[in-house]
Amino acid sequence: DTEVTQTPKHLVMGMTNKKSLKCEQHMGHRAMYWYKQKAKKPPELMFVYSYEKLSINESVPSRFSPECPNSSLLNLHLHALQPEDSALYLCASSPFEGASTEAFFGQGTRLTVV
Amino acid sequence: LAKTTQPISMDSYEGQEVNITCSHNNIATNDYITWYQQFPSQGPRFIIQGYKTKVTNEVASLFIPADRKSSTLSLPRVSLSDTAVYYCLVGEGNSGYALNFGKGTSLLVTP
Repeated sequence: DTEVTQTPKHLVMGMTNKKSLKCEQHMGHRAMYWYKQKAKKPPELMFVYSYEKLSINESVPSRFSPECPNSSLLNLHLHALQPEDSALYLCASSPFEGASTEAFFGQGTRLTVV
Repeated sequence: LAKTTQPISMDSYEGQEVNITCSHNNIATNDYITWYQQFPSQGPRFIIQGYKTKVTNEVASLFIPADRKSSTLSLPRVSLSDTAVYYCLVGEGNSGYALNFGKGTSLLVTP
């Protein structure tokens, strides 16, 4: 199984809502990543978890709150988002943190903030 | 973190070989060179990775000169389904920052 599964595939939320994005992998990978991608732009790295500990936070606003409950699961909690936060949110995993191995990406969650 | 420079876009006809060059003048000793492919509204997909010289797999070849300041992704005999954005990533083997994406090259393959 070389899949990274993201749910939901689509999400529409109001600016006062609280929602969560979920990412799951069963490849035994110990690094997991969240990215944000706007239309016709490259993916922007948001957070990196390594062995369930937050390794990198790319100065992401606090309305995005990551959580890694176990080695297979990564969540992104959303609260009080703005319309400009609408984007494709991608999750990825790799055997360990870094560039020397292949990273596997999920299909993403298309988020629309209204 | 090594900065990468790629052409913004390239066009090719079906059946041709396509070479996309990435410049990374300040590559460090511990840095790997990795290429990803992305189709619209999908997550990127790993294509190939190298450290030096030449690497080949069933999809592509990666050429890296001795000074490692550039690399070339070679796609043999492209088809319409190779139309995608191709990203060159350069980074350290054990740093998550290495998975920062640059601007990428948008490849359009036409009949």
